[in-house]
Amino acid sequence: DQQVKQNSPSLSVQEGRISILNCDYTNSMFDYFLWYKKYPAEGPTFLISISSIKDKNEDGRFTVFLNKSAKHLSLHIVPSQPGDSAVYFCAATLVKNTDKLIFGTGTRLQVFP
Amino acid sequence: EAGVTQFPSHSVIEKGQTVTLRCDPISGHDNLYWYRRVMGKEIKFLLHFVKESKQDESGMPNNRFLAERTGGTYSTLKVQPAELEDSGVYFCASSQEGWRRNYEQYFGPGTRLTVT
Repeated sequence: DQQVKQNSPSLSVQEGRISILNCDYTNSMFDYFLWYKKYPAEGPTFLISISSIKDKNEDGRFTVFLNKSAKHLSLHIVPSQPGDSAVYFCAATLVKNTDKLIFGTGTRLQVFP
Repeated sequence: EAGVTQFPSHSVIEKGQTVTLRCDPISGHDNLYWYRRVMGKEIKFLLHFVKESKQDESGMPNNRFLAERTGGTYSTLKVQPAELEDSGVYFCASSQEGWRRNYEQYFGPGTRLTVT
């Protein structure tokens, strides 16, 4: 039973445009969400996070939006750059109870010139 | 500051053999985690150490897997005997106490285990 889902395995975007990566979750108890980026042969690196008490968090070119009623979050990258090409993982956790991160299957983003 | 390191980077073993993976967390990080990614699927939690104590081992698949963290520094994950379904990439991560201020776990590059 997968609690965090990334239904798009891949996304291709032109440089300079907006990239939107989506993530859905099933457990309404999740109270913190994170996005990680992963390059080949490297481990995931933390990108941005959001608490369930917020609906938006912004850090430079990266913005995460949370829609609790829809159990949906998205990561916006504006403008997209070729160096953003990587696999992006959405993760969720219940910070009051555990340190365990529950990941989605990832979306491979390719930014082309 | 050195990041999380893992050894080996890649291991190929035959079914029934034993393999030991090692993780060195970032110095001073009390929390150490093991995760696994099977081909194309999600990254799954295996267990969590706080110093040398197992805080949560709910993700360990079965008793063929044994994790240790003697002295609260590096950790080892032993698979004995290995089965074909154990193939995947094993990630280690660490975080400092009070990590919930920014909720970031720092991941190592992973060990790719192939069981043939």
